[in-house]
Amino acid sequence: KQEVTQIPAALSVPEGENLVLNCSFTDSAIYNLQWFRQDPGKGLTSLLLIQSSQREQTSGRLNASLDKSSGRSTLYIAASQPGDSATYLCAVLGGATNKLIFGTGTLLAVQP
Amino acid sequence: GAGVSQSPSNKVTEKGKDVELRCDPISGHTALYWYRQSLGQGLEFLIYFQGNSAPDKSGLPSDRFSAERTGGSVSTLTIQRTQQEDSAVYLCASSLWGRASTDTQYFGPGTRLTVL
Repeated sequence: KQEVTQIPAALSVPEGENLVLNCSFTDSAIYNLQWFRQDPGKGLTSLLLIQSSQREQTSGRLNASLDKSSGRSTLYIAASQPGDSATYLCAVLGGATNKLIFGTGTLLAVQP
Repeated sequence: GAGVSQSPSNKVTEKGKDVELRCDPISGHTALYWYRQSLGQGLEFLIYFQGNSAPDKSGLPSDRFSAERTGGSVSTLTIQRTQQEDSAVYLCASSLWGRASTDTQYFGPGTRLTVL
């Protein structure tokens, strides 16, 4: 059974700092891994999608990496801003089913 | 273009009542998903529709839950005889193809269900 874990559960950093969020999964048979952002009371916004054959994806200040063999992904946020404050979720799309399995989330607070 | 929309945004009901939650996916998307987000359980998959194929119902927690997708577009999630543990945010998502490594799921804003 696929299990997805995120570390840390919560993180508070001063504005301008670079930071890394971690995601690990137990079954490497995945189609892709996605990082989402969730603001309070809102739905999920897709940030980056990494296909199983890819190593990383970049969008603006965000960079996500994938090491499928070790079951790990990281989301790197450069020059953090208060507007980055949100919950960040990673999710894997498994090979045996089409459902996303979500991690537990990291609550990020960027202090001005 | 328009994103995934859900209605109502909030629903308060009494224990034992039936509720219907609606999802309008992005036009042209063949795959539609329902997830539930509750305290202590995180985000969990409920059901998945792909075109005209039989839906994947493997995530439905009990037979009180059912969903249908009419005309390959709008979907309704029905919860019968609601219980307090059904209180959660119900999220709908759609994607272009479904089973594909490049397929991004786009989420709606959710329906917050409170069962008193």
